[in-house]
Formats: sequence, structure tokens, C-alpha cells
Amino acid sequence: SSELTQDPAVSVALGQTVRITCQGDSLRTYDASWYQQKPGQAPILVINGKNNRPSGISDRFSGSNSGNTASLAITGAQAEDEADYYCYSRHSSGDHVVVFGGGTRLTVL
Amino acid sequence: QAQLVQSGAEVKKPGASVKVSCKASGYTFSDHFLHWVRQAPGQGLEWMGWINPVSGDTKNAQKFQGRISLTRDASISTVYMELSSLTSDDTAVYYCARYNGYVGYSMDSWGQGTPVTVSS
Repeated sequence: SSELTQDPAVSVALGQTVRITCQGDSLRTYDASWYQQKPGQAPILVINGKNNRPSGISDRFSGSNSGNTASLAITGAQAEDEADYYCYSRHSSGDHVVVFGGGTRLTVL
Repeated sequence: QAQLVQSGAEVKKPGASVKVSCKASGYTFSDHFLHWVRQAPGQGLEWMGWINPVSGDTKNAQKFQGRISLTRDASISTVYMELSSLTSDDTAVYYCARYNGYVGYSMDSWGQGTPVTVSS
């Protein structure tokens, strides 16, 4: 089991806003990053550990961190946002050990 | 633009070893650790370990202790992940990823993935 906990599945109506959450003790120390993965593809970074969007990532994506919880918000969800989303952080044990959440499958209705 | 290119798909028998390569380009190889992550069919992402491309120091997940070897050849900007004593549970896609401290220690560039199938 993962030390970062995510809901396995979330759905959102086209054009609406959805929030995907991630909980874990390591988030009290380190901000989360978020990855999007579509079937058959490698993950891509959508929110980095400084809570910024990499170049080329839509401004529909935003991240926030509070206590032991991180959230990824997608504002005005589009069909192309349907994917698996993974949170990630450095582990509180240090030494650049990292941990991934179990992933959330987002369905756009 | 950073790019990581991995070696091709592998099919191995139980008990064998597999070695996957990951060639970096488009950035200074020595500037960033490289991590290895795997994904079993229908499952999530699983961290395996990292290598410091300068010193060759490594750290791996406890789960793979004694079975994993991470090495690098800095002369060709390439890192390697070797996993031994394979079982069917090691069937997965294996990814290398660049670990970037400038963006909050995120993995900001990924290889295309190397499918490894373990089957008798």
C-alpha cells in the first residue's frame, strides 16, 4: 500500500471543476508534485514540487498544499484531461527517497 | 530540451536478470540524479531507486534490496538498471526519470518506458 493516499476514481462533467486529493505524512514536510498518465504513455509532470506548471501545461491545472493534504484542481475539465493522476513527494525519511500515491482515474463525462 | 531514451522491450524467464539502459541528452548529465520507477500491468507507479551520475552513489527501495543494481557510464550519459532473480511479479514497464531540484525535486522528464515480461 502507498504512503500517499488517493481516491481510486473521480468523475467530472465536461467544463466543470474537479479536485483530486492526496494525503500523507510526508506532505507535512514536502510539497506534492502531480503527474498525468494516459494509456500506453509515460507519465508527464503537470504540477511540480514548487507548485508551478511546467512549460506547455494548461493553466486549467493548479495545485495546493495544506498540512498533510495536497490537491490538484482542474478548472473547466476537457475530454483530453481524462487520465490517471498520481501525486508524489519526497519521503519524510529523507535521502531523496520518494513515494507515489496509488493514483486517481479521472473520467470526464 | 531534456530527453531520456530507453532500451527496447525484454522477455525473460523466471530466475533470469534484465538490464535496462537509459541515455540522457539535452542537458548536463552530471546535474541531476536519475530515478527508476516501474508500473505493473493495471497498477500504479512504484519507485525503485536513484543514482547520482557524478559519484555513482545509489539508493534503492527496501523491496528491491539485494536484487537491484544501478550503474552509470558518464562517458556516454547513460544509466543502467539491472534486476535479478526475476519472477512474474516483475513483469512491468520500467521508466527512468530525471530528478530536478530546480523544480522542487520533481521528476520532470521521463523515458519512454521499457516493457519487461517475465514468463516461462
